[in-house]
Amino acid sequence: AQKVTQAQTEISVVEKEDVTLDCVYETRDTTYYLFWYKQPPSGELVFLIRRNSFDEQNEISGRYSWNFQKSTSSFNFTITASQVVDSAVYFCALSEWYGGSQGNLIFGKGTKLSVKP
Amino acid sequence: GAGVSQSPSNKVTEKGKDVELRCDPISGHTALYWYRQRLGQGLEFLIYFQGNSAPDKSGLPSDRFSAERTGGSVSTLTIQRTQQEDSAVYLCASRPPGGSSYNEQFFGPGTRLTVL
Repeated sequence: AQKVTQAQTEISVVEKEDVTLDCVYETRDTTYYLFWYKQPPSGELVFLIRRNSFDEQNEISGRYSWNFQKSTSSFNFTITASQVVDSAVYFCALSEWYGGSQGNLIFGKGTKLSVKP
Repeated sequence: GAGVSQSPSNKVTEKGKDVELRCDPISGHTALYWYRQRLGQGLEFLIYFQGNSAPDKSGLPSDRFSAERTGGSVSTLTIQRTQQEDSAVYLCASRPPGGSSYNEQFFGPGTRLTVL
């Protein structure tokens, strides 16, 4: 069965601190995709990154970076020098690939990040 | 360009009434998904439409829930005989056609349903 676990329910940091959001997934498939979405207080989900199961290269985008490790089934997300605008709920999600098409997203329960000035 | 739109943005209804929630996907997107987000929870998959194929209804929680997609575009999620446990934000997402380069789902703003 597929499952995404975000063990951290809430994290609170002070501005400029670095913070890592953990994500552990379970799947029996060899082909799958991992995602991170941001949900600010406005409610709309904002896509941050996708990674396919064959690409373990870590990625950096500005203050954001992602560490994908198949050996530990983890896809962690780090925000460097956090800012108040980073305050949001962050969701990690998994999608399998079958029948030539992407399936639905399986979401973790989310991590609420609060960045205080 | 226009994103995924949903209507209404808020819906308050009485227990036992039927409700219809609408989703307008991004033009040209062949895949459409409905998710439910209960307060403080992650998103739960409800149903998935892909082109003209039969929908994947495996996430629908009960037979009170149904959805259709007309003309491969607009979708309506119907909840019959609503219960208080149906209160949640219902999110729609669409995805473009194509292979692995096009597997991002674009989400709408959601419909907040409150069942009194």
